[in-house]
Amino acid sequence: DGGITQSPKYLFRKEGQNVTLSCEQNLNHDAMYWYRQDPGQGLRLIYYSQIVNDFQKGDIAEGYSVSREKKESFPLTVTSAQKNPTAFYLCASIGRGLDTEAFFGQGTRLTVV
Amino acid sequence: AQTVTQSQPEMSVQEAETVTLSCTYDTSESDYYLFWYKQPPSRQMILVIRQEAYKQQNATENRFSVNFQKAAKSFSLKISDSQLGDAAMYFCAYRTGTASKLTFGTGTRLQVTL
Repeated sequence: DGGITQSPKYLFRKEGQNVTLSCEQNLNHDAMYWYRQDPGQGLRLIYYSQIVNDFQKGDIAEGYSVSREKKESFPLTVTSAQKNPTAFYLCASIGRGLDTEAFFGQGTRLTVV
Repeated sequence: AQTVTQSQPEMSVQEAETVTLSCTYDTSESDYYLFWYKQPPSRQMILVIRQEAYKQQNATENRFSVNFQKAAKSFSLKISDSQLGDAAMYFCAYRTGTASKLTFGTGTRLQVTL
């Protein structure tokens, strides 16, 4: 079955550590997105990529980094520079066409301990 | 900058009744799409309905319909015959082809009561 997979579901990080969240899709979608979800703030865009080896900053990119070496994969690294990383992270992908819906992974809950 | 505003943090509706969730957006683009997504307690995002800016006819999907007012930049969601399974967070979203960004509002939490 085609879909988008995020892993792990839960992740714990010590302060000062970098962690990487995985996002893989087998939908042959060109565009992929990372969002952060906090209570009362909706989904805020961190980074997005429209093609392999290219990506753009979203609205809250500071403290995060991404790569897009393969069409199927768009990992997100939360660096130690991100001061408040505890949140729920969602990855999405979208096919060609302005009207196509976004498909979402099941999310990763990151907690700093 | 693209912005999407949902002014109702929480709404409540009785089962079988109708409720309308509000959404406004700001854009200078002429071609764009608008979406409503549902996020139940499982946190899995589900597409409810979509609307193209060029289409004057309001989109409808079963019990869900929109009231799209392009000049007012308003895109409200009407849920008819509300069911307990409709309880969720609802997000309005906007996408334009120019930047390919998908921008979300802050969400409305819908409660459905007996």
